[in-house]
Amino acid sequence: QLQLQESGPGLVKPSETLSLTCTVSGGSISSSSYYWGWIRQPPGKGLEWIGSIYYSGSTYYNPSLKSRVTISVDTSKNQFSLKLSSVTAADTAVYYCARLLRVRFYMDVWGKGTTVTVSS
Amino acid sequence: EIVLTQSPGTLSLSPGERATLSCRASQSVSSSYLAWYQQKPGQAPRLLIYGASSRATGIPDRFSGSGSGTDFTLTISRLEPEDFAVYYCQQYGSSPVLTFGGGTKVEIK
Repeated sequence: QLQLQESGPGLVKPSETLSLTCTVSGGSISSSSYYWGWIRQPPGKGLEWIGSIYYSGSTYYNPSLKSRVTISVDTSKNQFSLKLSSVTAADTAVYYCARLLRVRFYMDVWGKGTTVTVSS
Repeated sequence: EIVLTQSPGTLSLSPGERATLSCRASQSVSSSYLAWYQQKPGQAPRLLIYGASSRATGIPDRFSGSGSGTDFTLTISRLEPEDFAVYYCQQYGSSPVLTFGGGTKVEIK
């Protein structure tokens, strides 16, 4: 059974870079059928797609975040990662990683999420 | 960018009642790229419906999706206690960009 687990610091200072990793277990990140993505949810608010990556390294980003986001993949570790630079309090959220079906781009497996707070 | 507007914001119903949730897109969306998710407090979203009308694995048949173009609907035929949650629609469009609707909360009346 495929599982995704987010990891990384729960507290980041303003203007610094948020870094998270998603570890995939029970399946290969190199499957040709899937993309892998990051989604976030500010406290009490809705879901926002951050970006997605294919095992080859091809990426798609939310235009509203594109200038600050980098998503990368490490197939040897079965992991993909998120970096969000120049964070502010508005980036405080629960961050989820998820698997996306490549053809239809819906998210069928989600991690449990990790809370990241931006504060000095 | 396609904007998804969900209505109502909150739906107050009793167990056993029928719930009808709307998702309206600012531009036409391919049915293939419209999905619905359920989220309970403190949990990650769960895929319910993909391709506008196909149920995901393990989803009870009281959940159904329909619609095309700019208007899509999620229907829960008879609400069970575990169905009270927030529901989101999501679309994939050109660019490519994924967007979510703002959500509909289904609460116990």
